[in-house]
Formats: sequence, structure tokens, C-alpha cells
Amino acid sequence: NAGVTQTPKFRVLKTGQSMTLLCAQDMNHEYMYWYRQDPGMGLRLIHYSVGEGTTAKGEVPDGYNVSRLKKQNFLLGLESAAPSQTSVYFCASSYTTVRGNQPQHFGDGTRLSIL
Amino acid sequence: LAKTTQPISMDSYEGQEVNITCSHNNIATNDYITWYQQFPSQGPRFIIQGYKTKVTNEVASLFIPADRKSSTLSLPRVSLSDTAVYYCLVVTGGGNKLTFGTGTQLKVEL
Repeated sequence: NAGVTQTPKFRVLKTGQSMTLLCAQDMNHEYMYWYRQDPGMGLRLIHYSVGEGTTAKGEVPDGYNVSRLKKQNFLLGLESAAPSQTSVYFCASSYTTVRGNQPQHFGDGTRLSIL
Repeated sequence: LAKTTQPISMDSYEGQEVNITCSHNNIATNDYITWYQQFPSQGPRFIIQGYKTKVTNEVASLFIPADRKSSTLSLPRVSLSDTAVYYCLVVTGGGNKLTFGTGTQLKVEL
């Protein structure tokens, strides 16, 4: 039981390049989330999904796209990377929650640097 | 979005009780407050959650006053291994608005 797995763990990109971050969970969770973490700013929600085939914008969605084609996978895409997207990206998953009463399970992050 | 505020850092010694407060406005009566712990190079890990009064588990307690404008994470008898960043999370808007606090770096010394 691996929980939430993120790939890759590290990546360096040049400005303008594109890439996809993969998140996989084996807990049969309905909800999945992508966050970015920057010094002094905590975790900010980029996009989330409440089920297979659905996605929604979070607090900072600009410059990112997501897809949830399979229940266990949630992909985060950067179409044209910018230095401002240098960050640590975390994926999380949880059971269905309306009041926030289902704890989120996090991966160990992807460290992305954009030069 | 709810706005959450936490102290940037706190220092303590082994064996002491540590209380970390998160201030949050604009949360509904039944919205949950959740606390996470994060070690370097790892993702956050769930500690405790609740939506009113007091909740206790094997590692921490969570106190939420009646006005629900703040919550306090209480760690009894901390050890060196409790040195980490602690985040509060408030979920509002029927589960669609998630706001993490900026985190509190707790440093525990001998």
C-alpha cells in the first residue's frame, strides 16, 4: 500500500518548456488535490477533483491544467513554464468530503525549478 | 476564502506542553478545522481535526472556542522529534474552499 505517489521527485525546466506531473493513489479516494508550497506562503490549492472526469479551480490555477481520466491518477500540466512556477508541488487525496471532515493524504512532493 | 493566521515560529523544550493557535474568520458552524505536521522533504501528515469544543487523540488535543474564530493545537510533553512545521487547514464553502495557514515552525530543544 503505497498511499500517494508523485513522479518525478525533482525536475529542472527551462522557461517555456512544458511538463506533466503525475500523482497516483491506491486508497480508492474520490477527491484529489494539487498544491504548491512556497516559502512563507504555506500550501496553496491549484486545482482539485471530486471524482473521475471532473476538475475544478483552486486558489492559484493560472498557468496550470489538470486531468483526471482515471480515479487513481491526477495529472498536473504546465504548458509553458515560467520562473514564477518554481516551487514544491504536493498532491493529496481524500475520501468524499463536504465539511472538510476527511483527512487528506499527501505525497512527498515534486521539487520543480524553472530557469 | 477564509483567512488563516498562525505564528511564524515557536521554541520549546522537551517535556513541555506546546500550544499553537490558528486564527480564522468566515467559517461556518459545521466547517472542520484540521491540523497537519510536516517534516523537511516530506508531505504534510494529518494530526487531528474537529469543528467544535475539544477533540483529543493519542498525540494531540484541539480546542475550538464557541465563536470559532480560532483553534488551538495542543501538543503535550513535546520531544525533539516534534520539531516540524504545523499547519491548520480550514475548509469552507461546502467543501470547495480550502485555506491552509502559513505554518508554524516548532523547534524543540533539550
